Amino acid sequence: LAKTTQPISMDSYEGQEVNITCSHNNIATNDYITWYQQFPSQGPRFIIQGYKTKVTNEVASLFIPADRKSSTLSLPRVSLSDTAVYYCLVETYKYIFGTGTRLKVLA
Amino acid sequence: GAVVSQHPSRVICKSGTSVKIECRSLDFQATTMFWYRQFPKKSLMLMATSNEGSKATYEQGVEKDKFLINHASLTLSTLTVTSAHPEDSSFYICSAIKTGADTEAFFGQGTRLTVV
Repeated sequence: LAKTTQPISMDSYEGQEVNITCSHNNIATNDYITWYQQFPSQGPRFIIQGYKTKVTNEVASLFIPADRKSSTLSLPRVSLSDTAVYYCLVETYKYIFGTGTRLKVLA
Repeated sequence: GAVVSQHPSRVICKSGTSVKIECRSLDFQATTMFWYRQFPKKSLMLMATSNEGSKATYEQGVEKDKFLINHASLTLSTLTVTSAHPEDSSFYICSAIKTGADTEAFFGQGTRLTVV
């Protein structure tokens, strides 16, 4: 079973910042938190990974509170092309996917 | 990032035949690869863990005689769907694990299998 819980879907408008939160209450000490993006009929694509505090790269930021029981993916100024399913994974040895969040960006 | 190539990207086969799907890590070696199945508008479902040089570990409910996995080298794992039936039609995705300073999973582009 997946160790994560995310909202099933979200809508946003172009140019807005989107925050997707993932709950992982049973995260283990060795677990990293990784977020993936998936477009229809494609394999998932790595977005960002973190262990604690804040991580930022050229496409997103990842916020992880001290207790690590949740994490928030932040996408700045989304565009229509960011419409996709976003998955957060919390695994050390297996990559088990939860339901993911279906983000729809509207014009 | 690292590249994982999956082949074929799309295949149509007749009921009763077998289909082989290849997953290659092009620029790194992968001791571990995963195979997933995905139905329309659903999440990826882990089928099995493929370990180089040893037998694959299948998830509960996945028929190992139906879905044969071979991980003969550090850059290639294959999934063979044996005696395929229409209900085996699905999107199959592999991932290869790159280890080092950080451990990261890289995914293939997926294979759309249609059994007619």
